[in-house]
Amino acid sequence: KAGVTQTPRYLIKTRGQQVTLSCSPISGHRSVSWYQQTPGQGLQFLFEYFSETQRNKGNFPGRFSGRQFSNSRSEMNVSTLELGDSALYLCASSLSGGAAEQYFGPGTRLTVT
Amino acid sequence: AQKITQTQPGMFVQEKEAVTLDCTYDTSDQSYGLFWYKQPSSGEMIFLIYQGSYDEQNATEGRYSLNFQKARKSANLVISASQLGDSAMYFCAMRPNQAGTALIFGKGTTLSVSS
Repeated sequence: KAGVTQTPRYLIKTRGQQVTLSCSPISGHRSVSWYQQTPGQGLQFLFEYFSETQRNKGNFPGRFSGRQFSNSRSEMNVSTLELGDSALYLCASSLSGGAAEQYFGPGTRLTVT
Repeated sequence: AQKITQTQPGMFVQEKEAVTLDCTYDTSDQSYGLFWYKQPSSGEMIFLIYQGSYDEQNATEGRYSLNFQKARKSANLVISASQLGDSAMYFCAMRPNQAGTALIFGKGTTLSVSS
């Protein structure tokens, strides 16, 4: 069974631009979560989607948004990029959320210059 | 508030030795899951092992075992017979057993295995 895939793997953007990251979960998984990882803040939860509905959202500004499609694929968008948005963005999928195992993708490394 | 504490920033072991990575957690939830992930320098988070709060037996997956002590709120990862490929960052995480909840991660422990 294929794992979680994320595209693109690397991205360089300029301050003020916007970016869209994509995540395809494991087949059959309906829950997709997004996390931001930085050296200073560690791993922080962005949001979680299940059956196209956002069920939970972390403490991030409104510039960070996401959505999930009917095939469970998810995208996250960051508008008006700031230098501090430079991070590894990880997507994780699970069957249903809750305490079920979450499997992560390889991540998208975003650099904002 | 939920919190994961990993007190060992770095651990150094030799090949074939066993190593224990410490993890304590704080939660008021009765039902939750505990997870360990491995993150090599490539960045991907690799799921290693899972323990449910109501599981009476300690979880094991190959060379990985989770030493779960519920009363002490401890969930240590034991890696038997370390290999060079085990060198990576290891994260302990917790998630309440409710729909839509997030994984709460510790700050991680860097494991270095030498020959």
